[in-house]
Amino acid sequence: SAVISQKPSRDICQRGTSLTIQCQVDSQVTMMFWYRQQPGQSLTLIATANQGSEATYESGFVIDKFPISRPNLTFSTLTVSNMSPEDSSIYLCSAMNTFGSGTRLTVV
Amino acid sequence: DAKTTQPPSMDCAEGRAANLPCNHSTISGNEYVYWYRQIHSQGPQYIIHGLKNNETNEMASLIITEDRKSSTLILPHATLRDTAVYYCIVRVAAGGTSYGKLTFGQGTILTVHP
Repeated sequence: SAVISQKPSRDICQRGTSLTIQCQVDSQVTMMFWYRQQPGQSLTLIATANQGSEATYESGFVIDKFPISRPNLTFSTLTVSNMSPEDSSIYLCSAMNTFGSGTRLTVV
Repeated sequence: DAKTTQPPSMDCAEGRAANLPCNHSTISGNEYVYWYRQIHSQGPQYIIHGLKNNETNEMASLIITEDRKSSTLILPHATLRDTAVYYCIVRVAAGGTSYGKLTFGQGTILTVHP
């Protein structure tokens, strides 16, 4: 199985700013996935990121709010834009059967 | 993807077997049953998956009923470190347009006590 490095592990951000989360996989993978886990809740898929094409977003998530890059087969970024306190969550990336350790975001 | 139903919580004594049930009555023929767990403040960890046959690995066993409408994850000798939220997920096989996507339910909170 893959090994995934995700950073930052946590951050506290001011409302109105943006944060970019990075995800590095130790092997080439076709699809990478970004999830959100709101406090006390289960995981919700934000989008699927394929190399060489635009990300596919799930219902309720839009590219302007969560732009995703996938420049190669081992790396992806998720940006949380124009943040508000409601964006305070854990954001996780995944590839194959493996998840990163998550980014705990607090917006103040 | 088919929906799954799990009990919200279960308890188990340390050293005993933990049997976690999951119902997936609308599962399709090309959908696998996957189990993940999430220990507090960590990312989900893959445990095991199966299509129709029972499966066993170093972590657990997966028993799938013959009609595939339900399954049971078995942790044969639960330890305190097995305390976690366990997710049963139905997922399409490779080649499907939604391959790789995971739809998480609320899972089962398993508490292993001394």
